[in-house]
Amino acid sequence: AQSVTQLDSQVPVFEEAPVELRCNYSSSVSVYLFWYVQYPNQGLQLLLKYLSGSTLVKGINGFEAEFNKSQTSFHLRKPSVHISDTAEYFCAVSESGGGADGLTFGKGTHLIIQP
Amino acid sequence: NAGVTQTPKFQVLKTGQSMTLQCAQDMNHNSMYWYRQDPGMGLRLIYYSASEGTTDKGEVPNGYNVSRLNKREFSLRLESAAPSQTSVYFCASTPVYYGYTFGSGTRLTVV
Repeated sequence: AQSVTQLDSQVPVFEEAPVELRCNYSSSVSVYLFWYVQYPNQGLQLLLKYLSGSTLVKGINGFEAEFNKSQTSFHLRKPSVHISDTAEYFCAVSESGGGADGLTFGKGTHLIIQP
Repeated sequence: NAGVTQTPKFQVLKTGQSMTLQCAQDMNHNSMYWYRQDPGMGLRLIYYSASEGTTDKGEVPNGYNVSRLNKREFSLRLESAAPSQTSVYFCASTPVYYGYTFGSGTRLTVV
């Protein structure tokens, strides 16, 4: 069975500093990986996804993530954060082609941007 | 605007009451899902429907039932609400290949 571990429940960062949110997954087969962002009192919005091909994936709002199969990781990075990036970030994984049987989510990382 | 619409946005129930959460998507997606979100737990899959006419249990189905009424609509029913079902519920949909779109959520409190 697949699982996702987000290693930090909270990450405080100063504005304009770089940030990395860590995600590790466990699966016995090939996986598809996702990062979602949730702003307060809103639904989830897709930041980026890895399905195949290049291991460096670029997403919206200047975020990127790198798929590392040997380390079973999919860490999210941004070179310079802004106050508006304050939100909850979720890593998710699916083993199935097409994703019909749903995503497995990590418990989330709260990114706190300090002025 | 195209997307996933959930109703109601907020609901307070007494223990033992029943209710149905409604979800509709207008993107012609095949698959639809119900998740619950609890603090520190991430999102957990309750039920899903890979296509019209089929439904399957997810990770936490106990206490819930679902109906895929047609391709657009996927409802979640609580027959006898319990305080443990206090949560934020999200509906999502996706076409054949990945592109999950989430609704804005229903915040349910059971007292």
